[in-house]
Amino acid sequence: GIQVEQSPPDLILQEGANSTLRCNFSDSVNNLQWFHQNPWGQLINLFYIPSGTKQNGRLSATTVATERYSLLYISSSQTTDSGVYFCAVDRPSGTYKYIFGTGTRLKVLA
Amino acid sequence: EAQVTQNPRYLITVTGKKLTVTCSQNMNHEYMSWYRQDPGLGLRQIYYSMNVEVTDKGDVPEGYKVSRKEKRNFPLILESPSPNQTSLYFCASSLSPALGTQYFGPGTRLTVL
Repeated sequence: GIQVEQSPPDLILQEGANSTLRCNFSDSVNNLQWFHQNPWGQLINLFYIPSGTKQNGRLSATTVATERYSLLYISSSQTTDSGVYFCAVDRPSGTYKYIFGTGTRLKVLA
Repeated sequence: EAQVTQNPRYLITVTGKKLTVTCSQNMNHEYMSWYRQDPGLGLRQIYYSMNVEVTDKGDVPEGYKVSRKEKRNFPLILESPSPNQTSLYFCASSLSPALGTQYFGPGTRLTVL
C-alpha cells in the first residue's frame, strides 16, 4: 500500500527561525492535508493541498504531485507552533481512506 | 459555531463492557471518519462514512462498529472492549469525500482495564 514518510522526525528551533517540513508519498493521491497537533492534543487542519502552493500567514505549503512530495514552511516560528505536524493522504482510486504520516515533532524555544 | 463534538472526552472502563463514543457535527458534512492514535503507530483510520447509511472499513476496523443513520451523527461502538483498544480516538468530518479538508473533534481518551 501507499507509504507516507515525514522528515525530519524531530526538530528544535529558536523562536524566530524558519523551517521546512517534508512529506513524501509513494503513490498518486487525490487529497493531501497538513495538520498541527498542539501540545494539548487538538488536531487543527492547516492546509488542504493536493497540488500547488498555498499560504496562510506565517505558514505556507507546496505540493508537487508529479514528484510525490509536499513541503510545509514555517517562518518566524513562535512557541505556539510547537507540537506535531502530520500530513495525510487519501489512497488512490477514490476510496477516500486516509493514511497519516508519522509526523514531525517541533519544539520552538523562547 | 461550526464544530465536531465527541462524548465522552475521557472514559475508563473494563474489559467486555459495551460502550459507545458519540460524534456529532453541525456543518452538514457528508464525510465522517473515526481514527485512533497510539504512541509509535500514529493516527490510523478505523471506519469512515461517505454519507447516510454508507460506511466502510479503514485500516483497523476489528473490534469496532459504526452506524450513520443521520447525517450529523457517527457513533463508534465497542461491543466488547479489550485492553488493546486503549487509545486516543478522534472523529473527523469534511464537506464531501472529494473536498478533503477534515475537521477534527477534541478526542476521546479511552482506557480499557
